[in-house]
Amino acid sequence: GESVGLHLPTLSVQEGDNSIINCAYSNSASDYFIWYKQESGKGPQFIIDIRSNMDKRQGQRVTVLLNKTVKHLSLQIAATQPGDSAVYFCAENMLGGYALNFGKGTSLLVTP
Amino acid sequence: NAGVTQTPKFQVLKTGQSMTLQCAQDMNHNSMYWYRQDPGMGLRLIYYSASEGTTDKGEVPNGYNVSRLNKREFSLRLESAAPSQTSVYFCASSAGGGGNQPQHFGDGTRLSIL
Repeated sequence: GESVGLHLPTLSVQEGDNSIINCAYSNSASDYFIWYKQESGKGPQFIIDIRSNMDKRQGQRVTVLLNKTVKHLSLQIAATQPGDSAVYFCAENMLGGYALNFGKGTSLLVTP
Repeated sequence: NAGVTQTPKFQVLKTGQSMTLQCAQDMNHNSMYWYRQDPGMGLRLIYYSASEGTTDKGEVPNGYNVSRLNKREFSLRLESAAPSQTSVYFCASSAGGGGNQPQHFGDGTRLSIL
């Protein structure tokens, strides 16, 4: 089946810089997208979501951008902090069903 | 504010043994889910329960059974554990039906099958 993928498996940024984590999806019928943060030994933690009728949504220090033309999703983290170090997953809604289809994740490492 | 609680946190089984993973949520959510996460991979859906009294198969249901005991609790059972079922299991819940609601996760059960 179609799946959600990530451009980079690992990303290293300096503290205070902005981070951008990218995600490509291939299911044009997907209408809901969500980003999760997973710290070691913990479950995924909801960060932000966006529906397909939107191009951009902002939260606290995070922004999600959706480009439906090229089927691309990105998560921007402003002023990255050491506590942001984690694995980040994007996920898409599968054709209005109950399941979320998860990508494999990007590991974000914040260096001092 | 417990959210989604999973028990046990760790378990080691021998091949062929059975066990039940427990999950409870205190957010009054209608839908609940079981996922497994293998190294270097995202989460894969095993089973879900759209509402109390219903359960449905996900992407990887073979070797598992589930029970939606009530609105709060959703259990996952391995009848005859196999080494291929070594994984981290996550339970999640969401407020509404359908995949277009945020799912909230527990901290997982780390299961090893020898």
